[in-house]
Amino acid sequence: AQRVTQPEKLLSVFKGAPVELKCNYSYSGSPELFWYVQYSRQRLQLLLRHISRESIKGFTADLNKGETSFHLKKPFAQEEDSAMYYCALMGGGSYIPTFGRGTSLIVHP
Amino acid sequence: NAGVTQTPKFQVLKTGQSMTLQCAQDMNHNSMYWYRQDPGMGLRLIYYSASEGTTDKGEVPNGYNVSRLNKREFSLRLESAAPSQTSVYFCASSAGDGRSYNEQFFGPGTRLTVL
Repeated sequence: AQRVTQPEKLLSVFKGAPVELKCNYSYSGSPELFWYVQYSRQRLQLLLRHISRESIKGFTADLNKGETSFHLKKPFAQEEDSAMYYCALMGGGSYIPTFGRGTSLIVHP
Repeated sequence: NAGVTQTPKFQVLKTGQSMTLQCAQDMNHNSMYWYRQDPGMGLRLIYYSASEGTTDKGEVPNGYNVSRLNKREFSLRLESAAPSQTSVYFCASSAGDGRSYNEQFFGPGTRLTVL
């Protein structure tokens, strides 16, 4: 069974500080991993996925198969980064994503 | 393109009442999903439809029914609402082309309160 764990419900940082939102997964094969973001009063939207290897809004995420992690990082947090972040996994021919429980990021001025 | 649309945006029901949440997408996607979002629980899948004419249960299907009316529309029905169904409901769609793991596109959500 596949599982996604986001150990922090809430992460609070000050503007300009580095941010790391943790995501660990349990899956025996080669997963495809995503980060979705939900800004206040907006719909969930894809932030990035590991196969694209992009940096979106200054965020990056590297798939570490050895540690089964896909942590989301940004070197300098901005107030507009405040949002709910969900890590999601797909794999094994199943097109139903498994979502983590989400981490609420609050960036203080 | 409107993407994924949902109606209504807000709804208050009394225990035992029924209602249908509507969802439509204009992206010609094959797959559609219904989730509920609760504090501390994240997103939980209620039902999904991999393609037109098929529906399957997700993680928390009890108390709900769905209809994939056509390729565009996927409705969620609560036959007898209970306070435990107070939640924010999201509809989503994805290409579902069976060749790759596609991103999901979400609707704006329906905030449902059951008294």
